[in-house]
Amino acid sequence: AQSVTQPDIHITVSEGASLELRCNYSYGATPYLFWYVQSPGQGLQLLLKYFSGDTLVQGIKGFEAEFKRSQSSFNLRKPSVHWSDAAEYFCAVGGAEYGNKLVFGAGTILRVKS
Amino acid sequence: ETGVTQSPTHLIKTRGQQVTLRCSSQSGHNTVSWYQQALGQGPQFIFQYYREEENGRGNFPPRFSGLQFPNYSSELNVNALELDDSALYLCASSGPGHKSYEQYFGPGTRLTVT
Repeated sequence: AQSVTQPDIHITVSEGASLELRCNYSYGATPYLFWYVQSPGQGLQLLLKYFSGDTLVQGIKGFEAEFKRSQSSFNLRKPSVHWSDAAEYFCAVGGAEYGNKLVFGAGTILRVKS
Repeated sequence: ETGVTQSPTHLIKTRGQQVTLRCSSQSGHNTVSWYQQALGQGPQFIFQYYREEENGRGNFPPRFSGLQFPNYSSELNVNALELDDSALYLCASSGPGHKSYEQYFGPGTRLTVT
């Protein structure tokens, strides 16, 4: 079955510490991969995307993600977290095997402690 | 550049009623997708519209229907509302081809069914 797994429901990091949010997917070919961020009660903002080429992609707000085909992963990273990064983060996958839709993971809630 | 807009922001309806949600796509985008996000979950794909035709549908019953207009704006209609329809409804717009997967979301409409 097509699926996107975000193993961590909640993550708490200290302000200034590094962050890695995990995402694994099931897909036969190379998918299109995305990370979105959602603040409470808001819509989703696109952080970064991967279609092809360089497997390390840079996004907005200092985020980056690395596509690892062998691990079927697309983990999101940030070297130094700011209090304003506290939000919910969603990994999403698209491609021909999924039809015209994006398939989303269940999300990871990031808490930042000062 | 104008982003994706949705109206209304919030809506309260009674079980059995009908509701219409509206979405204006981002400038230059011709594809609109609708998602339902229940509390604590990731968005679930409802359907997509391209050139005023339904272009893919998720696992939602026929009482969920939509329209796309010549200016690429879109409506989501839900008939015979049920309590489980309470959710955040998200509209996303995107460009043609593989860019249809690069979806930009509006702020959402929060629907409460009582």
